Amino acid sequence: AQSVAQPEDQVNVAEGNPLTVKCTYSVSGNPYLFWYVQYPNRGLQFLLKYITGDNLVKGSYGFEAEFNKSQTSFHLKKPSALVSDSALYFCAVRDTNAGKSTFGDGTTLTVKP
Amino acid sequence: DSGVTQTPKHLITATGQRVTLRCSPRSGDLSVYWYQQSLDQGLQFLIQYYNGEERAKGNILERFSAQQFPDLHSELNLSSLELGDSALYFCASGGGQSSYNSPLHFGNGTRLTVT
Repeated sequence: AQSVAQPEDQVNVAEGNPLTVKCTYSVSGNPYLFWYVQYPNRGLQFLLKYITGDNLVKGSYGFEAEFNKSQTSFHLKKPSALVSDSALYFCAVRDTNAGKSTFGDGTTLTVKP
Repeated sequence: DSGVTQTPKHLITATGQRVTLRCSPRSGDLSVYWYQQSLDQGLQFLIQYYNGEERAKGNILERFSAQQFPDLHSELNLSSLELGDSALYFCASGGGQSSYNSPLHFGNGTRLTVT
């Protein structure tokens, strides 16, 4: 069985500061890892993914994520947070042999001016 | 715009009733996934269809059923509704087995309120 843990329900940062949203995963095979963002009353939007290759992946809106196989982590990062980054963020894992994606419980990011 | 269309946007109904949620996947996508999002349980996978056939099942109640039609749109049927079924129901689409490394594309959801 595959699982995802987002240990923080809430992350608060000041605008202009770096942000990190944490994610760890468990999967039997090789993982496909994804980050999605959800704004109020909207569906989830894809931010970035790790499939293979470089452990640092870059995505939309200046976000990036670092894959760490030994720590089974895939933390989302941004060097300088914007107030408009405030939203709900989901990490997801998909086993290369399975169809369904398993999502974490989500982390609410609040960026204060 | 994700290209995934869900109708209706809002649904208010009474306990014991039955409702149908509809999803049209992004053009070219063969897979449809249904998820339930509630305040206390996050995003829960319900069921996946691929090209008309059920492919994977998650935490879907026996009172719920789904199907995918030849034109690839999907319907989620919820019956004998209970207060606890109130949630946001999302449909997502994807390319299929050969594209598990591609992200899902989500609709904006149907907000179901059971009173």
